[in-house]
Amino acid sequence: GAGVSQTPSNKVTEKGKYVELRCDPISGHTALYWYRQSLGQGPEFLIYFQGTGAADDSGLPNDRFFAVRPEGSVSTLKIQRTERGDSAVYLCASSLRASVTAGELFFGEGSRLTVL
Amino acid sequence: DQQVKQNSPSLSVQEGRISILNCDYTNSMFDYFLWYKKYPAEGPTFLISISSIKDKNEDGRFTVFLNKSAKHLSLHIVPSQPGDSAVYFCAASGGDSSYKLIFGSGTRLLVRP
Repeated sequence: GAGVSQTPSNKVTEKGKYVELRCDPISGHTALYWYRQSLGQGPEFLIYFQGTGAADDSGLPNDRFFAVRPEGSVSTLKIQRTERGDSAVYLCASSLRASVTAGELFFGEGSRLTVL
Repeated sequence: DQQVKQNSPSLSVQEGRISILNCDYTNSMFDYFLWYKKYPAEGPTFLISISSIKDKNEDGRFTVFLNKSAKHLSLHIVPSQPGDSAVYFCAASGGDSSYKLIFGSGTRLLVRP
């Protein structure tokens, strides 16, 4: 497709389980971002990839969260030992270059994670 | 510590009238500001932006105003249409982290027919 694709669109899991969320960016976009949107809040930055490497992972809340982008395209956000507070919509975005000015950042529809 | 604040969680206006959405920020290092629009079950989509060197940017029915001294920006939509009903997020970037957007909590706009 032409846009950023995220799977699954919805994920319900139990506390303590492991979860993987996938993001397929727009073809050719070298920059990829993960954001998290909790209920009633705006998106919060988690991690930014330039190519295969995580250039900034300062937004990851703790070491239960990890993200990879092994071939510089698809990225996977991994959450270990999920907690109820991890429930949120996880948004992926991509851009042609690092700067996000002038609307160059394109978001996917998000993966809604519910931890029971 | 919220660096970008949208103090009005919701706004309701009549079709054809002006919608004004407000946003305040605290970080003087921000040099670029954007508005995103979000429909339910969709990702945010870019609407309009403004650089800190300007005080106004207009695109069709949408105008963004920036008051740097007050650290305040606003989005004006005129005339408002029912299809504009959505959640609007203000976002900012700047300094060494031009790739990172700091979002406000959003304002839900309802345009009544």
